[in-house]
Amino acid sequence: GAVVSQHPSRVICKSGTSVKIECRSLDFQATTMFWYRQFPKKSLMLMATSNEGSKATYEQGVEKDKFLINHASLTLSTLTVTSAHPEDSSFYICSAAPGTNADEQYFGPGTRLTVT
Amino acid sequence: QKEVEQNSGPLSVPEGAIASLNCTYSDRGSQSFFWYRQYSGKSPELIMFIYSNGDKEDGRFTAQLNKASQYVSLLIRDSQPSDSATYLCAVNLNNAGNMLTFGGGTRLMVKP
Repeated sequence: GAVVSQHPSRVICKSGTSVKIECRSLDFQATTMFWYRQFPKKSLMLMATSNEGSKATYEQGVEKDKFLINHASLTLSTLTVTSAHPEDSSFYICSAAPGTNADEQYFGPGTRLTVT
Repeated sequence: QKEVEQNSGPLSVPEGAIASLNCTYSDRGSQSFFWYRQYSGKSPELIMFIYSNGDKEDGRFTAQLNKASQYVSLLIRDSQPSDSATYLCAVNLNNAGNMLTFGGGTRLMVKP
């Protein structure tokens, strides 16, 4: 149980285009979904927290107009990187939580984004 | 000062030895602490979590928490080459809901 999927697993796009990444909780309803970004040899940096049906809460320094997050249902959240640039190339990981306990946070397999 | 700090390593240990990974945190009110393992190119997987002072054992892994010193560690007994990975310490900071703050990770290399 507690499986989280992400799609696509890898994407290459040209500079200036937009990319959408999906995060799905397959066998549970996720009250909260988190989006992280990880640069090579660096740790996970939280980008935003999203709750179903409400606006995402973005961490300091993360542009909400560039990283659009939609959490339309209890099993799906999407992250859209708008007007992507090479510096947005990174490993994007989502996690989903069924409740409010920090020990129940399940990670997706990640999406490798390369912007050329 | 970073909220969660780890030595980046690499920490190199021979096969069969005990690997000791350390993490300090700045928020004294933090309640829960997590160790994740991350293989290159993969997402983190939870190894164990600990809430109370003292030791918590799960198989070859032991987490140790000392809230007074704001210190949490992970011991890996009988280290195997397959344990070679980056180990991430994560803390649920005080009043952070279920949000986790991650340390920079320690790269562990277990040599056969």
